[in-house]
Amino acid sequence: NAGVTQTPKFQVLKTGQSMTLQCAQDMNHNSMYWYRQDPGMGLRLIYYSASEGTTDKGEVPNGYNVSRLNKREFSLRLESAAPSQTSVYFCASSETADNQPQHFGDGTRLSIL
Amino acid sequence: AQSVTQLDSQVPVFEEAPVELRCNYSSSVSVYLFWYVQYPNQGLQLLLKYLSGSTLVESINGFEAEFNKSQTSFHLRKPSVHISDTAEYFCAVTPRPLRAAGNKLTFGGGTRVLVKP
Repeated sequence: NAGVTQTPKFQVLKTGQSMTLQCAQDMNHNSMYWYRQDPGMGLRLIYYSASEGTTDKGEVPNGYNVSRLNKREFSLRLESAAPSQTSVYFCASSETADNQPQHFGDGTRLSIL
Repeated sequence: AQSVTQLDSQVPVFEEAPVELRCNYSSSVSVYLFWYVQYPNQGLQLLLKYLSGSTLVESINGFEAEFNKSQTSFHLRKPSVHISDTAEYFCAVTPRPLRAAGNKLTFGGGTRVLVKP
């Protein structure tokens, strides 16, 4: 009964380092999403994938790249980390790209020094 | 584009007292509305949603929210809170009609509810 699994749960990086956050879902969902959560700002969409083979920018895509590796997995990459990217990152999935509720992972807490 | 405003960043409340969390939204198109709850160190969980039909929607754990189109609001209420309701609550919207290009939720800033014994 895993749902959406994110790895790692915590990470500390130095400015300029690169890193890939991993996300996998076992619910056979078509759509997947990456958000960042910052205090007082709620969650903001970074990138999403409406279906396997497609990705699109969200509200705050700068500094990030994504890969929809297959139907289960959707990764988020920081090529050159900056302190402004210190945040909690959440992956989510939904059955389809419409009004279906999104299911969230437990988050990755990322600190960039 | 859509925007969501949650007017209270924190709401302290005593156990068994009622609570109301306010949510107002702005959108040029009709929207679907959601409330999500986030318990400490966890991801978000769907609490309830309004898609169509009755403007009053209820969750299984005693929360209810009412969609008011004229006031563009979707306030969340519970008549009697428990310690276990301590969490952060997020209001969110997504535009309708259905779009093939994605179900892009826009979230409010969140309201932290602290239930005191």
